[in-house]
Amino acid sequence: GAGVSQSPSNKVTEKGKDVELRCDPISGHTALYWYRQSLGQGLEFLIYFQGNSAPDKSGLPSDRFSAERTGGSVSTLTIQRTQQEDSAVYLCASSRRGTGANVLTFGAGSRLTVL
Amino acid sequence: AQTVTQSQPEMSVQEAETVTLSCTYDTSESNYYLFWYKQPPSRQMILVIRQEAYKQQNATENRFSVNFQKAAKSFSLKISDSQLGDTAMYFCARPFGNEKLTFGTGTRLTIIP
Repeated sequence: GAGVSQSPSNKVTEKGKDVELRCDPISGHTALYWYRQSLGQGLEFLIYFQGNSAPDKSGLPSDRFSAERTGGSVSTLTIQRTQQEDSAVYLCASSRRGTGANVLTFGAGSRLTVL
Repeated sequence: AQTVTQSQPEMSVQEAETVTLSCTYDTSESNYYLFWYKQPPSRQMILVIRQEAYKQQNATENRFSVNFQKAAKSFSLKISDSQLGDTAMYFCARPFGNEKLTFGTGTRLTIIP
């Protein structure tokens, strides 16, 4: 597609439920990133994919968080047994390759609210 | 440490004025890229400007320019003739390890009519 698409744009869930957030990157972009932005804060790196593999998962805050990418395209970020501190905007970005030189194109984000 | 520091949490200026946002960073590398991103209320992060460290000339994109001081590890963004549409969060960023773009905590800029 023309841009990075994320869904849902807003999600309200109850504590303890599982949620899935989806990211559809720009066609041909091999690198895909997930970031988390808490209210009024900067961006916290979660995970990076190159193709379908994730060489860097260092930012995932706990084992309740997981992500996968299939067909070198769509990625899903799953949060199990959500907690209130998981409330944030989850941003996805893609680029042609690693960020050394390439520009990241971001989606509009998925706002997660855990009650 | 892989840090990017923005020391101005909030700034405001009158429309048409010039404003400078500051950013400092850590690095042990000799060549790298630096970025400024803008996040308006719509939440969509947009690239403002990019600078390659080995280039001595400061990058410029229309009303946006940078003051890159490599020795001081400083990368400030200057916005000239500010417009209402410039109201946004501005984030300084640099890649570490070619894979992880690390962001500062941002500066909330408000342009006053």
